[in-house]
Amino acid sequence: DAMVIQNPRYQVTQFGKPVTLSCSQTLNHNVMYWYQQKSSQAPKLLFHYYDKDFNNEADTPDNFQSRRPNTSFCFLDIRSPGLGDAAMYLCATSRGYNYGYTFGSGTRLTVV
Amino acid sequence: DQQVKQNSPSLSVQEGRISILNCDYTNSMFDYFLWYKKYPAEGPTFLISISSIKDKNEDGRFTVFLNKSAKHLSLHIVPSQPGDSAVYFCAASEDTGGSEKLVFGKGMKLTVNP
Repeated sequence: DAMVIQNPRYQVTQFGKPVTLSCSQTLNHNVMYWYQQKSSQAPKLLFHYYDKDFNNEADTPDNFQSRRPNTSFCFLDIRSPGLGDAAMYLCATSRGYNYGYTFGSGTRLTVV
Repeated sequence: DQQVKQNSPSLSVQEGRISILNCDYTNSMFDYFLWYKKYPAEGPTFLISISSIKDKNEDGRFTVFLNKSAKHLSLHIVPSQPGDSAVYFCAASEDTGGSEKLVFGKGMKLTVNP
């Protein structure tokens, strides 16, 4: 089945130690998104790629970066994780407007 | 400043009864609305959507109603089943000419009791 896969499902990292979360898709969708969801809060868009075009949300901290080396893969890099970055990180893809998103299962990040 | 609001964090209903989940929005430019369902340890999955040119969309047991003047939408599940127990997210998007960006509510936890 075509899908969106996030690895790892659970990630524990040390305070200040760089960490990378990965997302891959077999749907061949143009657009890939990264959302951050903290407990009992709405998922918050960090950035998205339309093909190779990177779009950063205005309030996304500089600590968060992303790479999309090809259509299938997208990475979220957190350069210096703080305790406040502990959250569920959701990757999603879309083939266009009004088609909605297909989500991965998420990566739960813990910062110790 | 939340543009999509789900003011009730939880709802509990009996199996076979109707579940009504509500959502309010503030951005009058939103023109497409969706509901997602999320089970624990899984990503959200698409449930049903509605365009702003419609006021109702039905898919089996699920119906979404849109009241644009009130900036309000609701999801009706009839009859509710225990397998419907999950967190439901309301989402909305605006056609800015670029990529679709969904704005989500905080979610509402639905529990359907057998």
